[in-house]
Amino acid sequence: EDKVVQSPLSLVVHEGDTVTLNCSYEVTNFRSLLWYKQEKKAPTFLFMLTSSGIEKKSGRLSSILDKKELFSILNITATQTGDSAVYLCAVETSGSRLTFGEGTQLTVNP
Amino acid sequence: DSGVTQTPKHLITATGQRVTLRCSPRSGDLSVYWYQQSLDQGLQFLIQYYNGEERAKGNILERFSAQQFPDLHSELNLSSLELGDSALYFCASSGGTIADTQYFGPGTRLTVL
Repeated sequence: EDKVVQSPLSLVVHEGDTVTLNCSYEVTNFRSLLWYKQEKKAPTFLFMLTSSGIEKKSGRLSSILDKKELFSILNITATQTGDSAVYLCAVETSGSRLTFGEGTQLTVNP
Repeated sequence: DSGVTQTPKHLITATGQRVTLRCSPRSGDLSVYWYQQSLDQGLQFLIQYYNGEERAKGNILERFSAQQFPDLHSELNLSSLELGDSALYFCASSGGTIADTQYFGPGTRLTVL
């Protein structure tokens, strides 16, 4: 059975801190790994990673994939209160199905 | 706004009833996916359709069924509803090619009383 594990499950930081969210996976027929942000509504797409070692960056967010060790990290620098959300990691396998992790609840306090 | 629309936003019904959730994909997207998000189980993949045909099946109960119509909109039918079916149901769409990003609709919140 495909499995995606995220850590930590919950994180509380102060504005300006840098955070690292982790995602490890055990799946068959890996196609891609995706990160989503969910703020009490629909998940919104952040990144898609398909190749090892290539960092994807968008503003203060960045992510990288290690296909040998089967994990990915999502970094957020200079956090803001608006970054407070659940961050979901999902792995796409054959048939384009996504298997999601439990998510990391990030709270950024002013 | 992802471009994926779902109706209704909220649905309250009783056990044993049947409901239909509707999804319109982003313009040009051929694939539609259905997901269930409950408090105790997180986001779970239910089923995928591509250009009208079922392509992949996940943890979908036999009481649930879906279809995708020629205009590419999709419906998820939930019957003989139980209390445990209360959840957020998301639809997502993508172009349907390998490693194509899935964009999520706003969801339908189903409450079974």
